[in-house]
Amino acid sequence: QQPVQSPQAVILREGEDAVINCSSSKALYSVHWYRQKHGEAPVFLMILLKGGEQKGHDKISASFNEKKQQSSLYLTASQLSYSGTYFCGTGGGADGLTFGKGTHLIIQP
Amino acid sequence: GAVVSQHPSWVICKSGTSVKIECRSLDFQATTMFWYRQFPKQSLMLMATSNEGSKATYEQGVEKDKFLINHASLTLSTLTVTSAHPEDSSFYICSARVGQFNGYTFGSGTRLTVV
Repeated sequence: QQPVQSPQAVILREGEDAVINCSSSKALYSVHWYRQKHGEAPVFLMILLKGGEQKGHDKISASFNEKKQQSSLYLTASQLSYSGTYFCGTGGGADGLTFGKGTHLIIQP
Repeated sequence: GAVVSQHPSWVICKSGTSVKIECRSLDFQATTMFWYRQFPKQSLMLMATSNEGSKATYEQGVEKDKFLINHASLTLSTLTVTSAHPEDSSFYICSARVGQFNGYTFGSGTRLTVV
């Protein structure tokens, strides 16, 4: 079952923050986050494997609330390079990932 | 890090012909490769799971006779779109994973246009 992402699109000015949410109607055991730029393949950002886990790299971080079956991706002090479409993915293992519909992020100078 | 090489990057073919897309894991052995399809402005949809040395597993609604998958070695998986039609035009991407605690690495994708 496809996870639900919100918002569908975000327009920010450089330096502003953004939060992208991903929720599932099924129990979540792991959540993946990817960024895809137009015409390119998705790039792995991070994976969260345990309820309550939070992790980050540079100014991008994510949290995983296993009980609420949701995850959030936080983009702090956004840069122009953050523009793209962000996908969360659930499942994994032998079955591959089921991706949300994506959140389009546009960063304006 | 894990690298998946996908070829070709783009292909234009005539309706009714077949097209083969290759994905190679360059620095690791991929016993499993996943094939996705992405239509413009849409999400990635899993088409099939390719397992080395065994038959592929197809998602519901994906015609296995139309999308032939071969995973003959631990480093190569191929997707052949047979008797392609314009509605098969899409972005096809393969991916694999090194270890269950890591993310998936994607190939660079193949943009197929059927005319």
